[in-house]
Parts: sequence; C-alpha cells; structure tokens
Amino acid sequence: DAGVIQSPRHEVTEMGQEVTLRCKPISGHNSLFWYRQTMMRGLELLIYFNNNVPIDDSGMPEDRFSAKMPNASFSTLKIQPSEPRDSAVYFCASSPKGVLRVEQYFGPGTRLTVT
Amino acid sequence: AQSVTQLDSHVSVSEGTPVLLRCNYSSSYSPSLFWYVQHPNKGLQLLLKYTSAATLVKGINGFEAEFKKSETSFHLTKPSAHMSDAAEYFCVVSDLNTGFQKLVFGTGTRLLVSP
Repeated sequence: DAGVIQSPRHEVTEMGQEVTLRCKPISGHNSLFWYRQTMMRGLELLIYFNNNVPIDDSGMPEDRFSAKMPNASFSTLKIQPSEPRDSAVYFCASSPKGVLRVEQYFGPGTRLTVT
Repeated sequence: AQSVTQLDSHVSVSEGTPVLLRCNYSSSYSPSLFWYVQHPNKGLQLLLKYTSAATLVKGINGFEAEFKKSETSFHLTKPSAHMSDAAEYFCVVSDLNTGFQKLVFGTGTRLLVSP
C-alpha cells in the first residue's frame, strides 16, 4: 500500500497568491482529515470528510481556506489569498470504514512557506 | 472534553538505556488512546493503540504502553533506546463527543538519544 500521498512536499509562495495542496487517501478509507502543524499551536484539525462529504470544518481558520473532496481518492485544501501566518506543515490523514475508535494514517505533509 | 497531558517536553536518554515517556489522559468514557511518532521532517506514524482490549499494548520498534485506569495514565516505554528512536512522540486520545473519531493530540515529547 502506498499510504497517504500528499503533493507538493514543499511550497514557497508570495503573500496574496493562491495555494492548492493535494491529498490522495489510502484506497478503501472513507474518512479524510486535514491538519495544520505549527510550533506555536501544535497539530490542529482543520476539516473532516466522511464519504466525501465535509462533516466538520470548525477548525478552518477563516474564509480564505477551503477544502474539497470531489471523489473518494482525492482532496484539495486551498488558501486564497495566502498570508505569511499560513506558513506551516499541512498534513492529510485517512482512516478506514467501520466502527469508531480506529486510527488515522498520516501523509508526509506539505511544508508551506508564504513570504 | 477529552484531553491528554504529556508530562515532559523533552526526555534525554543514552543509547541502550530504558525509555519512559509519560502521558495522562482525561476522558468521560472509556477512551481510545494512541501513541504516534514523528521523525524530523516526516509525517506521523502510529506506534500503538489501546481500544479497551488488553491493557498492555505492544507496538512497533519494541515500544509498549500500559493503560492504567486508576492512574489515568498511558505511559510509553521501551527497554533499550536506539539512536533511531530520537523523534517527537505524541500521546493522543479520541474524542467521540463530536460524533466522529476526532483525535486530540498532546503537546509532544521530544526524545533525545545520546551515544
């Protein structure tokens, strides 16, 4: 199994530009999560999808952030316009179908730097 | 709300000596608990999980953790540290009050291993 795949691994952009982060979950998993990790705030859950439907987006910082999951094998997290304070590592994670209390499998992350 | 407290921000050990990373949890019901490891510039990898089965849980790379309800603890141990164990370790509890498998992360413990 290839695991959760994220692209790009590194992104450097200028303030005001649009940034799109991509995630391919593990095949057969029906839940997908986007996290942000910073030194100051640690790991924060941004949004959770179940069966491609956004269930909880209460962690999305503001309207500049949006996420989509058009099908079971692809999700995007978009920031428009980007700001320096958005600099962080963004992780995507997926978990399998079934009973609650299952673990999440994380991708390698995208390190975003906004100058 | 469910939460975890990692009692040490840094732990330093010598190679070949035992490792103890401490974690206390707070939960209003029988929790699911996890330990994840994050090596520098990498994603999070699941070490082990507790989901109300055996209280002593064995994970990968020789790590294990014991669930102690009376002490509300879930400490991570390893008999003999290896240089490759140097990483950040996160204790995690699941929060089902949100209606889905939301993971609540501790602040992390950085394990330093010296030769």
